[in-house]
Amino acid sequence: GESVGLHLPTLSVQEGDNSIINCAYSNSASDYFIWYKQESGKGPQFIIDIRSNMDKRQGQRVTVLLNKTVKHLSLQIAATQPGDSAVYFCAGTHYTGTASKLTFGTGTRLQVTL
Amino acid sequence: NAGVTQTPKFRVLKTGQSMTLLCAQDMNHEYMYWYRQDPGMGLRLIHYSVGEGTTAKGEVPDGYNVSRLKKQNFLLGLESAAPSQTSVYFCASSYSMTAQVQGNQPQHFGDGTRLSIL
Repeated sequence: GESVGLHLPTLSVQEGDNSIINCAYSNSASDYFIWYKQESGKGPQFIIDIRSNMDKRQGQRVTVLLNKTVKHLSLQIAATQPGDSAVYFCAGTHYTGTASKLTFGTGTRLQVTL
Repeated sequence: NAGVTQTPKFRVLKTGQSMTLLCAQDMNHEYMYWYRQDPGMGLRLIHYSVGEGTTAKGEVPDGYNVSRLKKQNFLLGLESAAPSQTSVYFCASSYSMTAQVQGNQPQHFGDGTRLSIL
């Protein structure tokens, strides 16, 4: 079946360092990928997305890299701050003809230490 | 900006009771979704709707029903609650594929309903 998974359940990073969160997916039909951030007691919050015709996309302090050859994507957070502490989900999606089917990974908890 | 609003935020039910979770979005999105989130698992799709008056089953639909009588609202019902339905429920919405030239668009989530079934 389809799966989207992250490599590490927990990642601890020192404030000011860069964070890299990895994700692998299994469905070759996935053509759109999203990274979400989920803080405790909140819903997933959209961070950045990337389409399969791209291999890199940058936002404010975040970069997503997509490697379709090995079905891998990563989220890089520059100069990690305490406010970045949260669970990060990747999700892969493909359009079925009626709706976009989104498959979520289980999440990596990012802990920012001072 | 309200975005996606879910009510209630918390609820405790006894086995066999029924209830309805409410979701409202103010972004004029065509698509709406209900997910459940359980420890150690990714979000799983329960039901979804591609427009007013239409609904479809997702990955884990058993024990749930939904209705989309108005474009901005999506209701999730539990007819006879079971302990296995203890979870955090999230509603999401997104633009339809045809509404956006750019294609896929992200889903926007509410802050969830924490439901415990005793």
